[in-house]
Amino acid sequence: DGGITQSPKYLFRKEGQNVTLSCEQNLNHDAMYWYRQDPGQGLRLIYYSQIVNDFQKGDIAEGYSVSREKKESFPLTVTSAQKNPTAFYLCASKDRGNVYGYTFGSGTRLTVV
Amino acid sequence: AQSVTQPDIHITVSEGASLELRCNYSYGATPYLFWYVQSPGQGLQLLLKYFSGDTLVQGIKGFEAEFKRSQSSFNLRKPSVHWSDAAEYFCAVGAGSGGYQKVTFGIGTKLQVIP
Repeated sequence: DGGITQSPKYLFRKEGQNVTLSCEQNLNHDAMYWYRQDPGQGLRLIYYSQIVNDFQKGDIAEGYSVSREKKESFPLTVTSAQKNPTAFYLCASKDRGNVYGYTFGSGTRLTVV
Repeated sequence: AQSVTQPDIHITVSEGASLELRCNYSYGATPYLFWYVQSPGQGLQLLLKYFSGDTLVQGIKGFEAEFKRSQSSFNLRKPSVHWSDAAEYFCAVGAGSGGYQKVTFGIGTKLQVIP
């Protein structure tokens, strides 16, 4: 079955470390997104990519980086510059066009220790 | 810029009772509207969407929503709630053209179902 796979499900980061969250989709979707979810704040957009080798900053991109070398993959790196990285991270993809909703992965919970 | 308001952060209903979750949006043109559901520790699943046509849309799991332009609302309803419906529900509005759609999510409504 097609879908989005996020790994790992749980991730622990020490202060000052960079960590990379994986997101892979086999839906042949063009667009991919990273959201951060904090209690009481809904989902906030970090980065998005509409095509390979191109990506755009979302509303809260500071302290994060991404790459889109393959259509299927959109990894997110949480850098040491992100001062409050503890959150639930969701990856999503969407087919081209305005009428379709997102398909979401099951998320990665990142905790700073 | 568009925005979404979900005025109820937490709702408790009895199993078998009817449910209505409120959503108000702000956007200058006709929006694309969505409802998603999230179980604890999981991703979001699309329940239903509206972009044109009949203002009453049917979704999965027995949910429906009605688009009311005059009230800028897109409330989610279910006639009889099941214990498995306990989850967090997000309303979202999409805007844009040319293939990219900026989607803004509400802060969510957490639904508790009691026996």
